[in-house]
Amino acid sequence: GQQVMQIPQYQHVQEGEDFTTYCNSSTTLSNIQWYKQRPGGHPVFLIQLVKSGEVKKQKRLTFQFGEAKKNSSLHITATQTTDVGTYFCAGPYGGSQGNLIFGKGTKLSVKP
Amino acid sequence: GAGVSQTPSNKVTEKGKYVELRCDPISGHTALYWYRQSLGQGPEFLIYFQGTGAADDSGLPNDRFFAVRPEGSVSTLKIQRTERGDSAVYLCASSLDRTSGANVLTFGAGSRLTVL
Repeated sequence: GQQVMQIPQYQHVQEGEDFTTYCNSSTTLSNIQWYKQRPGGHPVFLIQLVKSGEVKKQKRLTFQFGEAKKNSSLHITATQTTDVGTYFCAGPYGGSQGNLIFGKGTKLSVKP
Repeated sequence: GAGVSQTPSNKVTEKGKYVELRCDPISGHTALYWYRQSLGQGPEFLIYFQGTGAADDSGLPNDRFFAVRPEGSVSTLKIQRTERGDSAVYLCASSLDRTSGANVLTFGAGSRLTVL
């Protein structure tokens, strides 16, 4: 079936270190979205990528969409304790494209 | 409303009981989604509505699960004969218009269901 795979499942970093999470789809995606879920919270939308090879930046966060539109990455430069949480990628599947499938997420912990 | 509202926030029930979970989406959002999230997992798609109709219910695990959205706004997820494996956080999300091709989801805080 259609799947969105994320690696790593967990990442522990020292504050100030960089962090990257990778997302791979079994099929080509029309777009990919990234969400962040703080501990005890609910997923919150971060960004959507649509174009092949697209790169978007939000302050210390850099998002990339692969040329084949089957993979994506999120890179955080110089992590801070406020970056703690689980980062999910999600892509639309199904004939209606409304079935937004989420990966299992990468849980980031930051040691001060 | 200003955000997606879900009630109850917590529900504890006994195995075999019937449960209803309610979602009130952002005003004007035509698309509404239900997800289920177990500990340490990503949100698992259950069903989504475009207006009043269920446009995709392929994620509902079995016929004990049913969802309605009779007036195109509030939605209710209904679970019959609950089982311990149904314990999870049930997340509702809405988006402005799925047909625009940008179905960016705004999630509610979730309803935590515990089946004893």
